[in-house]
Amino acid sequence: KAGVTQTPRYLIKTRGQQVTLSCSPISGHRSVSWYQQTPGQGLQFLFEYFSETQRNKGNFPGRFSGRQFSNSRSEMNVSTLELGDSALYLCASSLDSRASGEGGQFFGPGTRLTVL
Amino acid sequence: GQSLEQPSEVTAVEGAIVQINCTYQTSGFYGLSWYQQHDGGAPTFLSYNALDGLEETGRFSSFLSRSDSYGYLLLQELQMKDSASYFCAVTITSGTYKYIFGTGTRLKVLA
Repeated sequence: KAGVTQTPRYLIKTRGQQVTLSCSPISGHRSVSWYQQTPGQGLQFLFEYFSETQRNKGNFPGRFSGRQFSNSRSEMNVSTLELGDSALYLCASSLDSRASGEGGQFFGPGTRLTVL
Repeated sequence: GQSLEQPSEVTAVEGAIVQINCTYQTSGFYGLSWYQQHDGGAPTFLSYNALDGLEETGRFSSFLSRSDSYGYLLLQELQMKDSASYFCAVTITSGTYKYIFGTGTRLKVLA
């Protein structure tokens, strides 16, 4: 079974631009969560989608948004990029939210975003 | 607010036993998970505790005390490949489930 894939793996943008990151979950997984990882901050939860609906949202500004398609693939968008948005963005998939909660999250390799 | 605390760094020698602690302050606690992340890699799930007690998976064990809001990950027979960051993560629920990760403990295993 293929794992979680994320594209692109690396991205360089300048302040003020916008970016879209993509995540393809493991086949059969319907829950997709997004995290931001920065040194010293650990993983910070952005949002979770299940069956095309946003189930949970973390404490990030409205510049961060996402969506999920009918095939469970998910995209995350960041508008008006700031220097502080430079981070590793991780996507994780699971069968459902409860499975996520019980440790059943499978992470992708992440997209390393650098904002100049 | 919700918070988790774990040591930032732990060093041990090959073959030794190391314990990584995690204390949390959350409402709606559901369970405690542990993840391992090697440099440049993705976090991978290690262990999950919903009830008090010890869960053992090979060389790794995880413990939870809900009354003390405390858990730990125990790594035995340390190997060089265990050098990585270890994150505890609390699942909270108020109808839906949400994860809160700690900031991670960097484990260095010395030869």
